[in-house]
Amino acid sequence: AQSVTQLDSQVPVFEEAPVELRCNYSSSVSVYLFWYVQYPNQGLQLLLKYLSGSTLVESINGFEAEFNKSQTSFHLRKPSVHISDTAEYFCAVSGISDYKLSFGAGTTVTVRA
Amino acid sequence: DTEVTQTPKHLVMGMTNKKSLKCEQHMGHRAMYWYKQKAKKPPELMFVYSYEKLSINESVPSRFSPECPNSSLLNLHLHALQPEDSALYLCASSQSERSSYNEQFFGPGTRLTVL
Repeated sequence: AQSVTQLDSQVPVFEEAPVELRCNYSSSVSVYLFWYVQYPNQGLQLLLKYLSGSTLVESINGFEAEFNKSQTSFHLRKPSVHISDTAEYFCAVSGISDYKLSFGAGTTVTVRA
Repeated sequence: DTEVTQTPKHLVMGMTNKKSLKCEQHMGHRAMYWYKQKAKKPPELMFVYSYEKLSINESVPSRFSPECPNSSLLNLHLHALQPEDSALYLCASSQSERSSYNEQFFGPGTRLTVL
């Protein structure tokens, strides 16, 4: 089984400042890792994913995450946030031959002007 | 088409009502999922359908009854719900249940209120 710990429940940040959301996972098998974003009153959208290959993955809207196997982490970063990045962010993990996504508790990002 | 659609967007029902939630995808995915999400919490898996057959039931009470009429449609029938069942119900789909690439695509959800 896999589990995920998101170390920050709330992250307030000013517009144009950088942000980092921390995610650590636990698993006895190889994993796939995901970050999902949920805007207010909406469903979940996949932000980015790590399946294999390069440990640094990027999204189209400026987020990036780095898979660190030795530290079992998959932290999410953005160098400069916008008001529109205000949302709930969920880190998730699945075993590579597993149907089940295990979600972290979520991090609420609030961007202020 | 990379979209999962869900209807209705909002639903208010009494504890004696019977209602259904509907989910649809046209991506050719063969695995479909129902999740329940309470406010400020992560989604909790309820059911998994794989190739139109119920694959996983995460010990969900029988007042929730899933149905998969075909590979594109997933329903969740609701009967005799309790107020604590009020939540956002999310549908998701993926290529297959145990593929090597289980990216799940989520719908926008149905916000359910049980009075």
